Amino acid sequence: GAVVSQHPSWVICKSGTSVKIECRSLDFQATTMFWYRQFPKQSLMLMATSNEGSKATYEQGVEKDKFLINHASLTLSTLTVTSAHPEDSSFYICSVPTEGNQPQHFGDGTRLSIL
Amino acid sequence: GENVEQHPSTLSVQEGDSAVIKCTYSDSASNYFPWYKQELGKRPQLIIDIRSNVGEKKDQRIAVTLNKTAKHFSLHITETQPEDSAVYFCAASPTTGRRALTFGSGTRLQVQP
Repeated sequence: GAVVSQHPSWVICKSGTSVKIECRSLDFQATTMFWYRQFPKQSLMLMATSNEGSKATYEQGVEKDKFLINHASLTLSTLTVTSAHPEDSSFYICSVPTEGNQPQHFGDGTRLSIL
Repeated sequence: GENVEQHPSTLSVQEGDSAVIKCTYSDSASNYFPWYKQELGKRPQLIIDIRSNVGEKKDQRIAVTLNKTAKHFSLHITETQPEDSAVYFCAASPTTGRRALTFGSGTRLQVQP
C-alpha cells in the first residue's frame, strides 16, 4: 500500500486563487519532505525542502512568498500556491526520504490547472 | 550543486531488442543512483537503484552499471516489451545530509511491437 498520501490529485481553479496541497507520510515519521514540480514533457525539478518545525529551504528561483510550505508535524507537509496564475499550472509531487540508503517514497502527485 | 545529464531524449526499439540509457553526474558527493519509470500523469516508479559501493546490479531484464570514477551510470533493458514504453529518468543524490534527488532530463522509450 501507499506510504505517502498526497491530496488533492487534481485541481482546476481560477487565476488568483490559492491552492493547498497536502503530503502525508503514513508509515513513518518524516523530519524532511521534498517538493518537486514537473512541467509537461519536462523532468522533475526540486522546488523546496520541507523541514519539520523550521523554515523550508527553497531552491534558487523559487519564490518562497508564493509557494508557502508548512511542516508542522512529523507526518504532514503542506504546499500552498498563493495567488496562482496560469504559469503555475504543473504537476506537483512530494517525496519522503527514509533512513540512510533507502529509496524515497513519492506521493501520487497533484495536477494543478489554473484557468 | 549536482547536475545530471541524460541521453538519449528519445529511443525507439523493436520488441525483443535491448535499450540503453546513459547518465552522467557532476557531484562526487552523490552516492545513490535510482532509475524511475514514469507513465503519463503518474508518479515516478522506482525500477532499480545502485549505490556507489557497487558497480553493477541486475533485476531480471533490467540492469544498471555505475562508473564512479567517470561519474556515469547506465540503464540496460533487455528483451524489451511494448509495456516497457514510458519515460525513464535517472537521478542522483547523496545518502547523508539533504538527500534531495537531482533528476536527468528523461528518455522517452518506445518499444515497437
